[in-house]
Amino acid sequence: EAGVTQSPTHLIKTRGQQATLRCSPISGHTSVYWYQQALGLGLQFLLWYDEGEERNRGNFPPRFSGRQFPNYSSELNVNALELEDSALYLCASSLEGLSTGELFFGEGYRLTVL
Amino acid sequence: GEDVEQSLFLSVREGDSSVINCTYTDSSSTYLYWYKQEPGAGLQLLTYIFSNMDMKQDQRLTVLLNKKDKHLSLRIADTQTGDSAIYFCAEKGPGGFKTIFGAGTRLFVKA
Repeated sequence: EAGVTQSPTHLIKTRGQQATLRCSPISGHTSVYWYQQALGLGLQFLLWYDEGEERNRGNFPPRFSGRQFPNYSSELNVNALELEDSALYLCASSLEGLSTGELFFGEGYRLTVL
Repeated sequence: GEDVEQSLFLSVREGDSSVINCTYTDSSSTYLYWYKQEPGAGLQLLTYIFSNMDMKQDQRLTVLLNKKDKHLSLRIADTQTGDSAIYFCAEKGPGGFKTIFGAGTRLFVKA
């Protein structure tokens, strides 16, 4: 069974550009989470989608947005990129109602903003 | 509010025990987790504990939960060089709550 897949794995952009990151959850999982892992800051919660709807949002500006498609895959969009957006962006999936509440993570995207 | 705090670094010698500590603030947390992140990889669940438990043991891993003090610890017995990684403490509340992570503790194991 395929795990959580993310594409691309590395992305280099310049300030002001827009980045789109994609994630495919594990088959059968309906929830997708996005986290930002910036150096020294741990994992910061960005967005949570379940059954196509945004369930929760972290303390990030509106230029961070996303969506979940009918096949449960998800997209994270970051507009007007700033230097401090350089980070590892992690996508995770889960099956809500799964007793352990475990999140299954992809390997992440390394976004570099120059 | 929600906050999970853990120390950033821990260094131990191979064969010793490692203890990684974490404090959390959300008393309604129902699940508490330890995730492991190896270099260049995503996070993987190492172990978890329900909030109504005090202790859980799984081979070399022992999780202790002090709900009164909102303190969670992970003990790794006979630490090996392969245990070198970042360990994240996380909590999840009831129902549709999101999972909140700490900043991660980087464990260095010296041979």
